[in-house]
Parts: sequence; C-alpha cells; structure tokens
Amino acid sequence: DGGITQSPKYLFRKEGQNVTLSCEQNLNHDAMYWYRQDPGQGLRLIYYSQIVNDFQKGDIAEGYSVSREKKESFPLTVTSAQKNPTAFYLCASSLGHHSNQPQHFGDGTRLSIL
Amino acid sequence: ILNVEQSPQSLHVQEGDSTNFTCSFPSSNFYALHWYRWETAKSPEALFVMTLNGDEKKKGRISATLNTKEGYSYLYIKGSQPEDSATYLCAFVRPKTGFQKLVFGTGTRLLVSP
Repeated sequence: DGGITQSPKYLFRKEGQNVTLSCEQNLNHDAMYWYRQDPGQGLRLIYYSQIVNDFQKGDIAEGYSVSREKKESFPLTVTSAQKNPTAFYLCASSLGHHSNQPQHFGDGTRLSIL
Repeated sequence: ILNVEQSPQSLHVQEGDSTNFTCSFPSSNFYALHWYRWETAKSPEALFVMTLNGDEKKKGRISATLNTKEGYSYLYIKGSQPEDSATYLCAFVRPKTGFQKLVFGTGTRLLVSP
C-alpha cells in the first residue's frame, strides 16, 4: 500500500540534544511538508519542499532543520535551539505543489522532553 | 495575520442526526479550500479540495459547499454514524502563493453516539 511512514511514533529528547524525525513516502509525490500541532492550535507549517534538493521555511522554522536528498524522504531535525519542542509532528506530501491537490499525512510523531 | 475560524469547536449528536460545521476564511485572493477528516489515532484524510465559488462536493453522506465572496464553507453530514466521529479540519491556501501553503483551522470535533 502506498502511504507516508513516520517514525518513531514517540520520541523523547534530553535538554541540549538534537533529534531527527523520519518521514518516508512511496506515493511518488514531489512535495512534502512538516507540521507541528500544539493544544488548541491549528497545524502550523514548519518546512516544506516542492522538489528534491529544495526546501523552504514555513511559519515556525526556527530551531528546526530539514533535508530533501531523495524524493521519498524528508527528515526533520529538532535542534537544541528549539526551546519548546514538545508537540505532535505531522509529515505530509502532495503530488505537486499546486493548491488544488490534497495532502496525504503520516500518523505523526509525539516528541516530549525528558 | 490570516485566520481560519471553525465552528463549533465541538459537537455531540445522536446516530441518525444530520449536522453541519462552518469554516470561515479571508475572502480576498482565494485559491483553494481543503477539508480533512482526522480520526483519533489515525492520520488526517483528505475529504475535499474546493476551488470555485459555488462549488458543491459530495462523498457518500458528506458534502461541502463554498462561498468565496463571503469567505465561508459548510460541511454537512447527513444521517451521522458513530464512524463519523472525528475532528474535521479546514485549511485555506494562503493568498499570493498559489502553492500548498495551507493555513489550518483548529477543527470541529464531532462525536456521534449510537
């Protein structure tokens, strides 16, 4: 079955540590996205990538980094500069980057601070 | 600041009831509006992508309408079933991008009791 796989499902970070969240898709989609969900707020865009080897900052990119070396993979690193990383993280993809194409989502990773 | 407002925040209905929710968005420079269904412990699933004023879309017992001039969309569920219990998200494509930079509302949480 085609889809988006996020791992791990739960992740714990120590103070000062960088952690990387994995996102893999086998849908052959060009565009990929990372969102963050906090209680009482809508999904907020962290980073997005329209094509391999290209990515752009979203609304809340500070303290995060991404790479897009392969079409199917878009890992998100939460760096120690992100002061409030505890949240639920969702990865998504779309066939293209135009506004009329639906996004497909993974199951998410919940990140907590130890 | 772009805001997407969804109402009500939550809704509890009985099996067989019909219900509707509202999504309000800025009416200028409209590109597209997305609706997603997010069941607990699953990934968000695309329901509709709406692009034209007056659009009406239907998927089984769920339908949606769009009014871009006044900036709102309605989602209707006819004869609600317990499996319709989920959070329903709408997302607005940010003006002047035309790309998939979505602004999400906080969702309407629907609970359907048998």
